[in-house]
Amino acid sequence: NAGVTQTPKFRILKIGQSMTLQCTQDMNHNYMYWYRQDPGMGLKLIYYSVGAGITDKGEVPNGYNVSRSTTEDFPLRLELAAPSQTSVYFCASSYGGTSVTGELFFGEGSRLTVL
Amino acid sequence: GNSVTQMEGPVTLSEEAFLTINCTYTATGYPSLFWYVQYPGEGLQLLLKATKADDKGSNKGFEATYRKETTSFHLEKGSVQVSDSAVYFCALAPQGGSEKLVFGKGTKLTVNP
Repeated sequence: NAGVTQTPKFRILKIGQSMTLQCTQDMNHNYMYWYRQDPGMGLKLIYYSVGAGITDKGEVPNGYNVSRSTTEDFPLRLELAAPSQTSVYFCASSYGGTSVTGELFFGEGSRLTVL
Repeated sequence: GNSVTQMEGPVTLSEEAFLTINCTYTATGYPSLFWYVQYPGEGLQLLLKATKADDKGSNKGFEATYRKETTSFHLEKGSVQVSDSAVYFCALAPQGGSEKLVFGKGTKLTVNP
């Protein structure tokens, strides 16, 4: 019963470094999402994908890139890390998208600190 | 634009107390409404939902009613337990199929024995 798996759980980056947050799901969901959660600010959508080969921007895409080469995997790439990207990142997946069920299945999160 | 406003936290209650967490929304038409819960160290999980006006969502003793006239979706529970300590998020999915689920800022609940 793995569900949505994110790695790493914790990471410290220096300003200007790059890294990739990995996300994989084993539920055969077509829809996948990346959110960031800042203290007291709720969740903001970074990017989402409605299927392999298709991605689209959310509310806060600047400074990030994604790809979706398979149904299972949806990595998030941070280029030139900045302190403003210090946050907790959540990957989520959904069977039919929010318009169908509204239920997102979340990973446990990746806490990123940029110093 | 679409937005969700939740009551400010944190909220601290004693076990068996009554819980209300207020949520109001701004959206055109008839969005779908949700409550998600985040237990310490975990990701969010869906608690309950309502997809049309006057619908009542319920789960694990929690309830919320979709009130179109007051644009509200308040979360209630008659008797909270220590295990209900978590952060609760109200969210909406805009009518028309947008994938951009809009979350409130979250309300932290602590229940003391």
